[in-house]
Amino acid sequence: KQEVTQIPAALSVPEGENLVLNCSFTDSAIYNLQWFRQDPGKGLTSLLLIQSSQREQTSGRLNASLDKSSGRSTLYIAASQPGDSATYLCAVRRTIYNQGGKLIFGQGTELSVKP
Amino acid sequence: DTEVTQTPKHLVMGMTNKKSLKCEQHMGHRAMYWYKQKAKKPPELMFVYSYEKLSINESVPSRFSPECPNSSLLNLHLHALQPEDSALYLCASSTPTGTSGELFFGEGSRLTVL
Repeated sequence: KQEVTQIPAALSVPEGENLVLNCSFTDSAIYNLQWFRQDPGKGLTSLLLIQSSQREQTSGRLNASLDKSSGRSTLYIAASQPGDSATYLCAVRRTIYNQGGKLIFGQGTELSVKP
Repeated sequence: DTEVTQTPKHLVMGMTNKKSLKCEQHMGHRAMYWYKQKAKKPPELMFVYSYEKLSINESVPSRFSPECPNSSLLNLHLHALQPEDSALYLCASSTPTGTSGELFFGEGSRLTVL
């Protein structure tokens, strides 16, 4: 059974700091891994998607890496800003949807960036 | 356009009411999902529709009844709910078979059951 763990559960940093959020998963047979951001009371915003054959993806100040063999992914946020404050969720998918695949979510990391 | 639209944004209902949540996407996605999210918890999968057919039901109580009238629309019919069903209900859709499989979520419908 796939289990996804995110560490730390909460993180508070001063503005401008570079930071790393961690995600680990127990079963390396994944189809892809997706990082999301969620603001309080809102839906999930897709940040980055990494296919199982890829090692990393970048979007602006965000960089996500994937090491399937060790069951790890990291989300790197450069030069953090107060607007980055949110909960960050990682989720892995074992297969595509028409084979019964579904997203397995971690518990999330609640990030607070102080001005 | 990577938008999934959910209505209503907020819904308050009594335990004997019947109501529906609606979800719409125009990205050509052929998989659509309902998730339930409680405060400070990750989303939990409820249902998956693939090509307008129900492909996954995560043992959801029958007081929740999903419907996929066409490839762009997804409904969740609610009847005789319990207060513990109060939550944020999220709809999502994903790219077609053989492509990235990226999920896109709506803003959610906040449901309160009195």
